[in-house]
Order: sequence, then C-alpha cells, then structure tokens
Amino acid sequence: SAVISQKPSRDICQRGTSLTIQCQVDSQVTMMFWYRQQPGQSLTLIATANQGSEATYESGFVIDKFPISRPNLTFSTLTVSNMSPEDSSIYLCSVLPRDPFTDTQYFGPGTRLTVL
Amino acid sequence: KQEVTQIPAALSVPEGENLVLNCSFTDSAIYNLQWFRQDPGKGLTSLLLIQSSQREQTSGRLNASLDKSSGRSTLYIAASQPGDSATYLCAPRATSGTYKYIFGTGTRLKVLA
Repeated sequence: SAVISQKPSRDICQRGTSLTIQCQVDSQVTMMFWYRQQPGQSLTLIATANQGSEATYESGFVIDKFPISRPNLTFSTLTVSNMSPEDSSIYLCSVLPRDPFTDTQYFGPGTRLTVL
Repeated sequence: KQEVTQIPAALSVPEGENLVLNCSFTDSAIYNLQWFRQDPGKGLTSLLLIQSSQREQTSGRLNASLDKSSGRSTLYIAASQPGDSATYLCAPRATSGTYKYIFGTGTRLKVLA
C-alpha cells in the first residue's frame, strides 16, 4: 500500500495568482498522477508525473497552465498558474506503487482550491 | 474514447438493505476495473480491483462483478449501514498502453439509520 499526503489541504486564492500543491508518498512508487475534480463532477486526469522528465499531459491540459515536477520517486508538485474561478476544484494526487497492470491505485486526500 | 456511466446517480435507502450499484463502459478492452469510495470533501479509497480475467472480487460485505464483454460491472453492498454513505465511483483502465483510469460520474449513496 501507499500513504499519500498533500499540502495544502485547502486554499482560497485570488484570480491571476498561482498555487503549488505538494504530494508526498511514504514509499517509492512507479507512477504518480494528478487529477482534477470540478464541483459536482467526476475525476479527470490532468497528467502523469514522470520522474526526471517532463510530465505527460492529457488532452485539454497544458504545461504552461499546470506545470508539474517530480524530482524523485516519492514526491511531486502541481502548480495551477494564472488562476481563474474556473480552476476552483479539488486536485488529487494518485500513485501506482509497483506494477501498473495489477496494482491498486491510491489517492491522496486532495487539495480543495477556491479561486475568487 | 472510453465513456463510463453509473446508475443510479443517487440512492437513499434504509439501513439493512442489500444494494446494487451499476457501472457500464463503452470500450470492453480493459486491463482491470476498480471501485472506489469517496467521502464528502475527501480523497478516494480503493474498495475492490477486478482484473480483466476475473469475474468477481469480494471484500467483506462488498462484492464486485465484471462482465467485460458486455461492458458492465456491478457493486453489491450487503446489509447496508449508515457508515456506507458516500459516493461510489467505478473506473476501468484501458489496454491501449496507458495507465489511465476513466472515472464514472458516481453513485451518491445515503443509508438512513
């Protein structure tokens, strides 16, 4: 299993500013992901955080808006840049501990972001 | 493009009932399917993972079945309790070389004491 922590747990930000969300795992994991859950919606994958290289973004998400870092096998950050009220969501970090084909996917507690 | 639908969208039942939550997906080429629970304002907790070669998985009062060819999975909750109140999400993973899960919109369950 994997225990995931995220910081901050919630924040209220002003339009036009940026927020960096941290994800820390208690063990080395194969893969790390960032998801967004907009109010009343299900989860949408933003990107796969690749260790030592640029993240792989899903359609509709770009690096300039959501820069991601993953300096090692236990830590990743997601930045939400130049925020607007439409960015108000819960942002969740997720990991696959070892085998991506058989392993359970684990989720962090999420970061609840409100943009005014 | 994989699309996942969950029925019903919301469910309110008295304590003790046996429940059936349905999940359908349009692309049957999946590696596995996972059921999650999400409590209000919280992250997701994995409940059951079914590999594509399996027909069902059980954990305590929970049983999930998978009919890959017809694109359906069902989560059974036996003897429901107020503590089961949460949103239940199903998420199949494609075989196309990606590790991405596609999430359904969820079933919001409320179990009344």
